[in-house]
Amino acid sequence: DAGVIQSPRHEVTEMGQEVTLRCKPISGHNSLFWYRQTMMRGLELLIYFNNNVPIDDSGMPEDRFSAKMPNASFSTLKIQPSEPRDSAVYFCASGGRGNQPQHFGDGTRLSIL
Amino acid sequence: QKEVEQDPGPLSVPEGAIVSLNCTYSNSAFQYFMWYRQYSRKGPELLMYTYSSGNKEDGRFTAQVDKSSKYISLFIRDSQPSDSATYLCATEKQGAQKLVFGQGTRLTINP
Repeated sequence: DAGVIQSPRHEVTEMGQEVTLRCKPISGHNSLFWYRQTMMRGLELLIYFNNNVPIDDSGMPEDRFSAKMPNASFSTLKIQPSEPRDSAVYFCASGGRGNQPQHFGDGTRLSIL
Repeated sequence: QKEVEQDPGPLSVPEGAIVSLNCTYSNSAFQYFMWYRQYSRKGPELLMYTYSSGNKEDGRFTAQVDKSSKYISLFIRDSQPSDSATYLCATEKQGAQKLVFGQGTRLTINP
C-alpha cells in the first residue's frame, strides 16, 4: 500500500519567494493534516481537512500561509512570501474518520535563505 | 505548561536492555494515546495506538496508560540498534482529531 506522498522532499529558496508543498493522502482516508516540525517547537498542527473541507486552521501562523484540498487525493500548503523563520520540516498526514490514527509522509525539508 | 511533557533525552542504553519511555499530560479529556517512532529524515511512524487506560502489547513493545496519574509509557524489550530513533508520544480528545505531541525522546541503542 502506498503511504502518504509528499513533494518535494527538499526545497531551498530565497526569502520572498512563493513556496508550494504538495501532499497525496492514503487512498480512502477522509482526513488530511499539515504539520510543521522544528527543534524549538516540536510538531505543531497547522490545519486539517475533513472530506476536503478545512475544519481547523487555528495553527496557521500567519496570512502568508494558505492550504487547499481541491479533491480527495491532493492538497497543497503555500507560503507567500516566504521568510527565513519558515524554515522547518513540513509533514502531511492522513487518517480515517473520527479518532482513527494518523499516518505521516516523510516530509518536505524547507530552507528559506 | 505544555499539555504533554516528554523528556527529550538523549537516552543511550546497551543492546538487549529494557527501555522505558514516558510522558505526562495535563488534560483529563485526552482519551486516545499513541506512540510514534521517527527515524532521522523520515516521518513519524505509528507504533502503538490505545484508547483509555490499560496495557497494549505488540511484539517487543508494550504501551501503558494510567489515566489516574495522567502517565503514558512505552516499554521496549530486548532493544536492538535498529530501535535507535526519536520516540514521540501523542494524545487526542474524543472526536477532536487534533493530536497533541510530546517533544520526543531521542533514543540510542549501543551494540
